Amino acid sequence: SQELEQSPQSLIVQEGKNLTINCTSSKTLYGLYWYKQKYGEGLIFLMMLQKGGEEKSHEKITAKLDEKKQQRSLHITASQPSHAGIYLCGADGPYRDDKIIFGKGTRLHILP
Amino acid sequence: EPEVTQTPSHQVTQMGQEVILRCVPISNHLYFYWYRQILGQKVEFLVSFYNNEISEKSEIFDDQFSVERPDGSNFTLKIRSTKLEDSAMYFCASSEGTGGRETQYFGPGTRLLVL
Repeated sequence: SQELEQSPQSLIVQEGKNLTINCTSSKTLYGLYWYKQKYGEGLIFLMMLQKGGEEKSHEKITAKLDEKKQQRSLHITASQPSHAGIYLCGADGPYRDDKIIFGKGTRLHILP
Repeated sequence: EPEVTQTPSHQVTQMGQEVILRCVPISNHLYFYWYRQILGQKVEFLVSFYNNEISEKSEIFDDQFSVERPDGSNFTLKIRSTKLEDSAMYFCASSEGTGGRETQYFGPGTRLLVL
């Protein structure tokens, strides 16, 4: 089965600093998802990438997928307290209704 | 903006009791899912549902679990005889099903505690 390795597991960043979260798979990824989860709450969809080399941005968050579709990253620019939470990377298979396999998550703390 | 809703937000039950978790997917969505997250662990897939039948289920989804779409709006997960290890946050998700790769939108979850 596919496993997703997320790093780091935990990240403490000073407000205003940039940060990067990585997600790696040993297998080629199909649909690639980033979700954010506040502690004990639901998953909020951030972005989805499909194509090798693809990059998407929304506000101060940028997601990238490498050409081989095995590594993806999430980059936050000028972090704010509202960015705090758990970031989950997920991947699904080639079919439309495929389940999403999630990584363990990266817990992000923003220091004021 | 349309969203997936779930009820109840919290449920406490005695071991061996039946529980039904309810979800209202986004109205024009055709694919429905249940996931769960045991405290401190990964979000895990349980089951997917399309066209009134199960598309795929995980090893976790044994005979104690069942899903149903009793009407045009609700999607339920039933656990017949709860065990202590069923304590988790249960998430419902839905996606459009119109073609191509589609985003799954998650509900806020139901926190189930089995005593």
